[in-house]
Amino acid sequence: RKEVEQDPGPFNVPEGATVAFNCTYSNSASQSFFWYRQDCRKEPKLLMSVYSSGNEDGRFTAQLNRASQYISLLIRDSKLSDSATYLCVVNPEGGGSYIPTFGRGTSLIVHP
Amino acid sequence: SAVISQKPSRDICQRGTSLTIQCQVDSQVTMMFWYRQQPGQSLTLIATANQGSEATYESGFVIDKFPISRPNLTFSTLTVSNMSPEDSSIYLCSVYRGTYTEAFFGQGTRLTVV
Repeated sequence: RKEVEQDPGPFNVPEGATVAFNCTYSNSASQSFFWYRQDCRKEPKLLMSVYSSGNEDGRFTAQLNRASQYISLLIRDSKLSDSATYLCVVNPEGGGSYIPTFGRGTSLIVHP
Repeated sequence: SAVISQKPSRDICQRGTSLTIQCQVDSQVTMMFWYRQQPGQSLTLIATANQGSEATYESGFVIDKFPISRPNLTFSTLTVSNMSPEDSSIYLCSVYRGTYTEAFFGQGTRLTVV
């Protein structure tokens, strides 16, 4: 089983739609979680951190479910500019491995 | 935060030659990584660049093919040696300060081997 798994998509949605991505992780001791956005031919950039209590930033909401070991990203009122690949990142617990683990990314296409 | 300057941003190289990619960080960081990302694929970790010692390579990557230098805590190079078309990819350096922090990336080097 891969350490971090994401549905690669693509998710093809109309403008204004709400879309949600899930990401599961295998290491129950993982401490911190992030969503990154990667535009075509660009480097990944941090979209938002994922806190235990969940967090919201404008149209974006991130949730963490430790019991089921998954994190989610909800995008409301999708814009054309939201089209990108969204990467789930899980940071280790600081004991053994110290390398952030990236999911393979979920592609989102928002169309008019 | 960290600002990373990676160069070259792109290159087209002949097979059999080598290319060295540089990554300069604006502050000292302990952990620096090199990734490869092939078109439409996810990030694949090549190695961890260790300051003052040999890099730690992931399965499937070897020092002879991807020699890495890390002379100090702000700079690293990755060389892609004896290139073949299969090495065509985006190569990214990344720095990471610890468990509760985000990873930062260089702008990437888009390599095409012909």
